[in-house]
Amino acid sequence: KQEVTQIPAALSVPEGENLVLNCSFTDSAIYNLQWFRQDPGKGLTSLLLIQSSQREQTSGRLNASLDKSSGRSTLYIAASQPGDSATYLCAVLYNNNDMRFGAGTRLTVKP
Amino acid sequence: SQTIHQWPATLVQPVGSPLSLECTVEGTSNPNLYWYRQAAGRGLQLLFYSVGIGQISSEVPQNLSASRPQDRQFILSSKKLLLSDSGFYLCAWMRHTEAFFGQGTRLTVV
Repeated sequence: KQEVTQIPAALSVPEGENLVLNCSFTDSAIYNLQWFRQDPGKGLTSLLLIQSSQREQTSGRLNASLDKSSGRSTLYIAASQPGDSATYLCAVLYNNNDMRFGAGTRLTVKP
Repeated sequence: SQTIHQWPATLVQPVGSPLSLECTVEGTSNPNLYWYRQAAGRGLQLLFYSVGIGQISSEVPQNLSASRPQDRQFILSSKKLLLSDSGFYLCAWMRHTEAFFGQGTRLTVV
């Protein structure tokens, strides 16, 4: 069964702190992995996409890594800001055109 | 540029009433289209996906159905809503294996 797990479920940090969000998946036969941000009551905004052949992707203060063999990805956020507060979702695309999501990590950055 | 539109944003419907949610994509052709449902505090559950007009794949047995009457239009329907159909419904399309989402519809069945 293809499952995606995100840890922690919720995280609260003071502004300026660096933080890491974790995502693990049970089936390593993935096509790619995508990190999303979701604000309350809104749709998903794509943050980073890592192809299965890649090890990491960077966008501004965000860095996502992928270790396909161990079934893990991390999203690193540097110098966190209150505007980063949101739920972060990890999604794995499998070769059968099936995208599976984790339950998300709810991040709160306190001023 | 490509955009995805989803409406309505919110909907309150009585039990037993019909449902129709619409999603359209602009600026691309023959996209893969998806309907997801997100229950409160939980991850997204894939409901349907479509790789072309009239081609619908269903992931879970349920009270819902989907149709794709046009290349860039994806519709989620129900003949009779249940309380358990309440949730946040998201439409998505995929470009070069990267997914893009609409703003979602909050459905409350009362």
